[in-house]
Amino acid sequence: DGGITQSPKYLFRKEGQNVTLSCEQNLNHDAMYWYRQDPGQGLRLIYYSQIVNDFQKGDIAEGYSVSREKKESFPLTVTSAQKNPTAFYLCASKTGGAYNSPLHFGNGTRLTVT
Amino acid sequence: QKEVEQNSGPLSVPEGAIASLNCTYSDRGSQSFFWYRQYSGKSPELIMSIYSNGDKEDGRFTAQLNKASQYVSLLIRDSQPSDSATYLCAVDTGGSYIPTFGRGTSLIVHP
Repeated sequence: DGGITQSPKYLFRKEGQNVTLSCEQNLNHDAMYWYRQDPGQGLRLIYYSQIVNDFQKGDIAEGYSVSREKKESFPLTVTSAQKNPTAFYLCASKTGGAYNSPLHFGNGTRLTVT
Repeated sequence: QKEVEQNSGPLSVPEGAIASLNCTYSDRGSQSFFWYRQYSGKSPELIMSIYSNGDKEDGRFTAQLNKASQYVSLLIRDSQPSDSATYLCAVDTGGSYIPTFGRGTSLIVHP
């Protein structure tokens, strides 16, 4: 079955450490997205990529970095520069260039930094 | 700044009633509208999409779109306790293909 796989499901890190969240999709989607969700909040866009080897900052990109070396993969690195990294991180994808296609979400990674 | 507004709730309805969830958006160029359901601790899942003015029905769910007034709503008929979740409204503008989400409305269906 096609889908989006995020790993790990839970991640614990000490403050000051970088951490990378994995996102892999086999839907053959061109566009991929990273969102952050805090309790009681909607989804805020961190980064997005509409094609391999190209990505753009979203609304809250500071302290995060991404790469898109393969169509299937869009890993997110949370750096030590991110001041409040504890959150629920969601990776999503959709057919590129089609404004009327919905997002498909992975199951999310819950990151806790202490 | 493209904005999508939702009442955070919680909206509490008795089992069997109609739940009405509303969403307004600021960008008149918006062309695609989506409703996602999110259970606590889980990722969002698509319930409905709507692109044209009017109503779109799918089972117990009806999405309503009024582009002139810039609002989209979701009606849930015969609400069930299993419908208790947060409902997220998302709006896509044609140019950017980047969905903007509202904060979500928490729905509680009590027996």
